[in-house]
Amino acid sequence: GAGVSQTPSNKVTEKGKYVELRCDPISGHTALYWYRQSLGQGPEFLIYFQGTGAADDSGLPNDRFFAVRPEGSVSTLKIQRTERGDSAVYLCASSLQSGGANVLTFGAGSRLTVL
Amino acid sequence: GESVGLHLPTLSVQEGDNSIINCAYSNSASDYFIWYKQESGKGPQFIIDIRSNMDKRQGQRVTVLLNKTVKHLSLQIAATQPGDSAVYFCADRSLGTALIFGKGTTLSVSS
Repeated sequence: GAGVSQTPSNKVTEKGKYVELRCDPISGHTALYWYRQSLGQGPEFLIYFQGTGAADDSGLPNDRFFAVRPEGSVSTLKIQRTERGDSAVYLCASSLQSGGANVLTFGAGSRLTVL
Repeated sequence: GESVGLHLPTLSVQEGDNSIINCAYSNSASDYFIWYKQESGKGPQFIIDIRSNMDKRQGQRVTVLLNKTVKHLSLQIAATQPGDSAVYFCADRSLGTALIFGKGTTLSVSS
C-alpha cells in the first residue's frame, strides 16, 4: 500500500481482556517495528522484525505482550490480560531494511484505552 | 537502555522567524540520527536524518547539525510557518538496535 496501515484506529476494552492490533506495512519493506506512545511522551520501542523473525524484542514490557509476523508482511501485536497501564497509542513503522540509514515510516497508530 | 532527550519541552516563535530545536543524546555508539515531526492524532513524520560521519545536512528549509564531541543534535527550521506547529522528536540508533526516541519539543508558531 501507499503507507503503513494500522487497525483498529481506536480500541476500548475492559481490564483483563485480550486485544489484537494489526499493522500492514509498506509493500516490500522487510523491517517492521512496534512502538508505544503514552500521552506527552516519545515513542517507546517494543519489538522489531526483520522478515518473519523478531530481531529484537527487548522492549516488550512483560510476557503479556507478544507480536507475530508469520509471512513477513502483516504483523499483529497481542496483549493478554490488559491492564489500565497498557492504555496508550501503539505505533507501527516499517522500513526497506533494518539498520543503517533506513528511514522508518510510521502509521497513524492504534489508540488503546483499557477501562 | 540509553535514551535521547530534548532540552526544552516547548518553543514558541513568530511566523517567519528561524527555529532551533535542540537534543542531547547519551549513547556514544550511536551512528545514525533522525528528526521526526508529529501532529496531533498522527504518527511521526520523517523530516531529516544524518549519519555520524557528517556534522551538517540540509533539506528544504531544515538543517540538522550534529556535534559528536558533546553529543548534541539540533534541528533548524528557516522561516517558520504555522504549519510547522507540532511536536518534534529526535531519535538515534546504534548498530543492530532500533530507533530510540526522546520526549519531544512542542513548537508553537503564531501569526
